Amino acid sequence: DTEVTQTPKHLVMGMTNKKSLKCEQHMGHRAMYWYKQKAKKPPELMFVYSYEKLSINESVPSRFSPECPNSSLLNLHLHALQPEDSALYLCASSHRQGKTEAFFGQGTRLTVV
Amino acid sequence: GNSVTQMEGPVTLSEEAFLTINCTYTATGYPSLFWYVQYPGEGLQLLLKATKADDKGSNKGFEATYRKETTSFHLEKGSVQVSDSAVYFCALSDRNNAGNMLTFGGGTRLMVKP
Repeated sequence: DTEVTQTPKHLVMGMTNKKSLKCEQHMGHRAMYWYKQKAKKPPELMFVYSYEKLSINESVPSRFSPECPNSSLLNLHLHALQPEDSALYLCASSHRQGKTEAFFGQGTRLTVV
Repeated sequence: GNSVTQMEGPVTLSEEAFLTINCTYTATGYPSLFWYVQYPGEGLQLLLKATKADDKGSNKGFEATYRKETTSFHLEKGSVQVSDSAVYFCALSDRNNAGNMLTFGGGTRLMVKP
């Protein structure tokens, strides 16, 4: 099983809403990542968790709040987003931070209205 | 710092044509190299990888050879199909780079016409 599952697939939210994106993997990977991808651009790294601890935060605004409840789950809590935050949000995992290949989920298409 | 440069697209080919997508890299250490593919509306899928010089990665008819002397990792396929239409990303992971995170190229859109 090389699957990373993300929910929901699509999300529309207002600028005053609070919502969460969820990511799950059962490959025993100990590193999990959040990326943001705008149209026609490569993914941009947002956060890295290694052994359930936040390892890298790429200067992401505080309206994005990551959480890693256990080694299989990764959440991204969203609050007071702006229309420019509309993008595809991708979760990925790998055996260890930066080791071997990363496996990506299908993404959540987020639209902020 | 590390960087990856890909040929700009879109690349438009007829079915059964030969495909080459160029990728060159700059890295301070000894990177692993990857090709990822993204089909419309989907996430990224690992297509192939190479972890050291002269390694050849291959999958689904696609191939790429890690060339240290030219710092390149060009993607090739002998006969493309309409179903290969997607965006292809070249990427590197450098264990000498803090955090060893993936560095992506800008992506190349491939369109295959019947």
